Amino acid sequence: EVQLVESGGGLVKPGGSLRLSCAASGFTFSDYNMNWVRQAPGKGLEWVSSISSHSSYIYYADSVKGRFTISRDNAKNSLYLQMNSLRAEDTAVYYCASWETTPGRFDYWGQGTLVTVSS
Amino acid sequence: EIVMTQSPATLSVSPGERATLSCRASQSVTSSLAWYQQKRGQAPRLLIYGASTRATGIPARFSGSGSGTEFTLTISSLQSEDFAVYYCQQYNNWPPGTFGQGTKVEIK
Repeated sequence: EVQLVESGGGLVKPGGSLRLSCAASGFTFSDYNMNWVRQAPGKGLEWVSSISSHSSYIYYADSVKGRFTISRDNAKNSLYLQMNSLRAEDTAVYYCASWETTPGRFDYWGQGTLVTVSS
Repeated sequence: EIVMTQSPATLSVSPGERATLSCRASQSVTSSLAWYQQKRGQAPRLLIYGASTRATGIPARFSGSGSGTEFTLTISSLQSEDFAVYYCQQYNNWPPGTFGQGTKVEIK
């Protein structure tokens, strides 16, 4: 069974940093492209960042470019999101999501971790 | 960036009735369209991809249709577990894979 479990969320002040993690199991992690998708409270879904199976290709939404860094460790079956210079508008539940063969189609999702940016 | 527009924002339906949800793209996305279901407090779940193919384990009462700019998700006979928010998403222009704003299906 595919499992994606996010961690690392919490309360942080504007301008602060946070590192999210996503632990994967139940599938061959190194075969999958991984993503972060976020959802602000009461709002819709917004794609944040994507990393290919062996980190060759990395993409960011314009809203986070230059502030967030996505990475992965295939030996540890883990995905990360380093978030710097956080703003109030970054407050959201952050989901990790995966796709294997079709770019941008999110086949599996984790349960999410809440990031709150507030003073 | 392709804008996805869903209608209606809220759909009130009685159990057992048919629900029809619409999604429109600002430009053609061919058949690269997915539908996701999100129940309260849960992660989204892939329902339909390629505009009309059900994902693994999705009941046959869910069906998708359309291509280009106009798409429809139909739930043939609503069950209690189907009351949720549904999002469409295009992945023809990737990245980003843009989502619609969602349609909430609520009990009438």
